[in-house]
Amino acid sequence: AQTVTQSQPEMSVQEAETVTLSCTYDTSENNYYLFWYKQPPSRQMILVIRQEAYKQQNATENRFSVNFQKAAKSFSLKISDSQLGDTAMYFCAFMNYGGSQGNLIFGKGTKLSVKP
Amino acid sequence: GAGVSQSPSNKVTEKGKDVELRCDPISGHTALYWYRQSLGQGLEFLIYFQGNSAPDKSGLPSDRFSAERTGGSVSTLTIQRTQQEDSAVYLCASFRTSGRTGETQYFGPGTRLLVL
Repeated sequence: AQTVTQSQPEMSVQEAETVTLSCTYDTSENNYYLFWYKQPPSRQMILVIRQEAYKQQNATENRFSVNFQKAAKSFSLKISDSQLGDTAMYFCAFMNYGGSQGNLIFGKGTKLSVKP
Repeated sequence: GAGVSQSPSNKVTEKGKDVELRCDPISGHTALYWYRQSLGQGLEFLIYFQGNSAPDKSGLPSDRFSAERTGGSVSTLTIQRTQQEDSAVYLCASFRTSGRTGETQYFGPGTRLLVL
């Protein structure tokens, strides 16, 4: 069974600085998808970034980028120029490829606090 | 609608009572998931609906949990004889699928259930 591990329960960063959140996963599959979701206090899960495992290039979305190391099964999220609005829980998630069913498998999350 | 909606936003109930949680997916989205998020945990898959196919109920924790999806749109998650360990946030997600996996799941704001 696939598992997702986030080893940092809590992190903090100063506004405008850069922070990296760690995520590792375990799977025997070769094709899959990886996601980072953000959950602010409003509880709304918001997609931050996604990565297809067959793509070697790391995904980037504005201030958010990932470091995808397929051999190491690592998928870290880097937030540049941190803003107060980035304060939230961040969840790493895995989805199998193939077929039409694709539930997400989540890590336990990292609580990020951005300090002024 | 513009996004996934869920109701009620919050629900307090007494142990042993039944509760119904509602999810209204994004119009045109054929796939719908229910997840449970317990305090300090990641999301746990409960059940998956895809079009007119039989739902995947493999994540339901007990036979007290059931869900249906009427007309391929609105879904209701029912918990019978609620227990205190059922207290959690219940999140619904939907996505449009053409038979491919890896599409982004869009989440509703969740229902926070508290069983006294």
